Amino acid sequence: EAGVAQSPRYKIIEKRQSVAFWCNPISGHATLYWYQQILGQGPKLLIQFQNNGVVDDSQLPKDRFSAERLKGVDSTLKIQPAKLEDSAVYLCASSSTSGNEQYFGPGTRLTVT
Amino acid sequence: GENVEQHPSTLSVQEGDSAVIKCTYSDSASNYFPWYKQELGKRPQLIIDIRSNVGEKKDQRIAVTLNKTAKHFSLHITETQPEDSAVYFCAASIQGGSEKLVFGKGTKLTVNP
Repeated sequence: EAGVAQSPRYKIIEKRQSVAFWCNPISGHATLYWYQQILGQGPKLLIQFQNNGVVDDSQLPKDRFSAERLKGVDSTLKIQPAKLEDSAVYLCASSSTSGNEQYFGPGTRLTVT
Repeated sequence: GENVEQHPSTLSVQEGDSAVIKCTYSDSASNYFPWYKQELGKRPQLIIDIRSNVGEKKDQRIAVTLNKTAKHFSLHITETQPEDSAVYFCAASIQGGSEKLVFGKGTKLTVNP
């Protein structure tokens, strides 16, 4: 079984630029999560999708972050404009409707200079 | 909202010794408690989890105990090996469901050969 895929793995941008991350969950997993993991901390949930609908985006900074999962499979997370404090690893995870376990992708390490 | 405290933040043990990491949570409705292992630069990987209807679960050298009354749970690793060295995160489900997780800040475990 293929795992959660993410790209790019690394991204360096200047502040005020925009960036987009892509995630492909495990086949058949209806639930998809985006997390932000700042160095030295645990993952923090940004947004949760169930199929193509948003279940929870209460911790997503909506003035600059957006995410979509149009066909209920792949998802993109966008930051526009980026700030220095957005430097982090952005992790995507997925889970099936019948299970609780969340499986993580390798993450995208974002550096904002 | 749910808060998960994790201790210690760093732990150093000799190979063959046991390691114990403790977490407390605040939401009495939490019913799912996974533990993730994250090696440097890699994705978090689920190593063991426990649900609220069980007090203890074991998988080879790894065990997790849960005390719902006190709202704390612990990870126990016996006969530690150098490859156990990593950052370990506990998490607790929120809002009574088992799909959204709040993570602790992590424990960096070092096993010295």
